[in-house]
Amino acid sequence: SYELTQPPSVSVSPGQTASITCSADKLGDKYASWYQQKPGQSPVLVMYQDNKRPSGIPERFSGSNSGNSATLTISGTQAVDEADYYCQAWDSTTARFGGGTKLTVL
Amino acid sequence: EVQLLESGGGLVQPGGSLRLSCTGSGFIFSTYAMSWVRQAPGKGLEWLAAISGSDGSTDYADSVKGRFTISRDNSKNTLYLQMNTLRVEDTAVYYCATDLPYQYGMDVWGQGTMVTVSS
Repeated sequence: SYELTQPPSVSVSPGQTASITCSADKLGDKYASWYQQKPGQSPVLVMYQDNKRPSGIPERFSGSNSGNSATLTISGTQAVDEADYYCQAWDSTTARFGGGTKLTVL
Repeated sequence: EVQLLESGGGLVQPGGSLRLSCTGSGFIFSTYAMSWVRQAPGKGLEWLAAISGSDGSTDYADSVKGRFTISRDNSKNTLYLQMNTLRVEDTAVYYCATDLPYQYGMDVWGQGTMVTVSS
């Protein structure tokens, strides 16, 4: 089956840039999206169609997708960005999620 | 305001059945494909099923194919997930979500409803 691979954890200092990767075979041929989930809350779409930000998502969030990897980048990371992040893509008619990355801001 | 509200979760014995509902408001429900996604305690997100907005075509994850059925009633702005032959490993928070066109992503998510399968 088609698997999306994310690092389990990423740490970043406040104000620095955080990059979270998502890897899969020919992922660049599909659209990647990203979701932020804070403890006890529902997931929130933070990036869709590889690099589009939904309304209300800060400009410090950006995305890219090519080859076998998609990346969610958070510039000027703030404490409020600490959360779990999941990538997602469709493999034909089946949606796949990455295992999630815990972003720690310290 | 665009909203999705799930209901129907609860405690059920292994082998039992449960039907979840997801009611949408603030948008034209019938024009959106919809998905069900679940999250087991302490685990990641798992997509379960999707249904198109118009013709009602459906797709399922292998883990639930043959046991779960997704359906919708556009006249009631409501999405359903019929879950049969439930297993302990089906214990999770179940979310509904709107699917953006062209597989761009899943836009709006509900607050989730907890399903516990236990004897």
